[in-house]
Amino acid sequence: GENVEQHPSTLSVQEGDSAVIKCTYSDSASNYFPWYKQELGKGPQLIIDIRSNVGEKKDQRIAVTLNKTAKHFSLHITETQPEDSAVYFCAATPDYKLSFGAGTTVTVRA
Amino acid sequence: DADVTQTPRNRITKTGKRIMLECSQTKGHDRMYWYRQDPGLGLRLIYYSFDVKDINKGEISDGYSVSRQAQAKFSLSLESAIPNQTALYFCATSGGGGNTIYFGEGSWLTVV
Repeated sequence: GENVEQHPSTLSVQEGDSAVIKCTYSDSASNYFPWYKQELGKGPQLIIDIRSNVGEKKDQRIAVTLNKTAKHFSLHITETQPEDSAVYFCAATPDYKLSFGAGTTVTVRA
Repeated sequence: DADVTQTPRNRITKTGKRIMLECSQTKGHDRMYWYRQDPGLGLRLIYYSFDVKDINKGEISDGYSVSRQAQAKFSLSLESAIPNQTALYFCATSGGGGNTIYFGEGSWLTVV
């Protein structure tokens, strides 16, 4: 099955700086790569996703890039704000079952 | 109201007891999932169901069973709970041609 690795496990950034989270996947058949944000006491919520026919996607301050050859994808958050503090998960799938990375705890320092 | 509702939200149970976590959804989705979250391990798939008559094991199904009572209902059971099943459990759904998975709010289970 699919194996997703995520780095770093924790990330502390100054408010206004950028944050980058990187993931690698093992199954070359994977074609869907979502990113989820989990706030304390809540379930994960989709924030952005990308499909294998696209190399980059942007939505306001967040962007995701995909390198199919290297089997890695990244989440970029620009101009970080306190409300960006959360746990972020990457995931990958070739079908309808998501395999998740271990998560990155992002802390934005005021 | 939440689209994916889990009950109970918190439960403490004793080793050896049977416990059921219930999930219902109002999204009209065919596909339903149970995931387990542990610190440092992310979300791991326990069981999934793509239709009322379809049940499949995920990567960590040992010690768990499920029942798909209706399109909108998918329950997870621990027949004889053990302490290492202490975790946060999530029900999730997806539907149509899309891959997006929508999560419930989670059920904290503590086995003592």
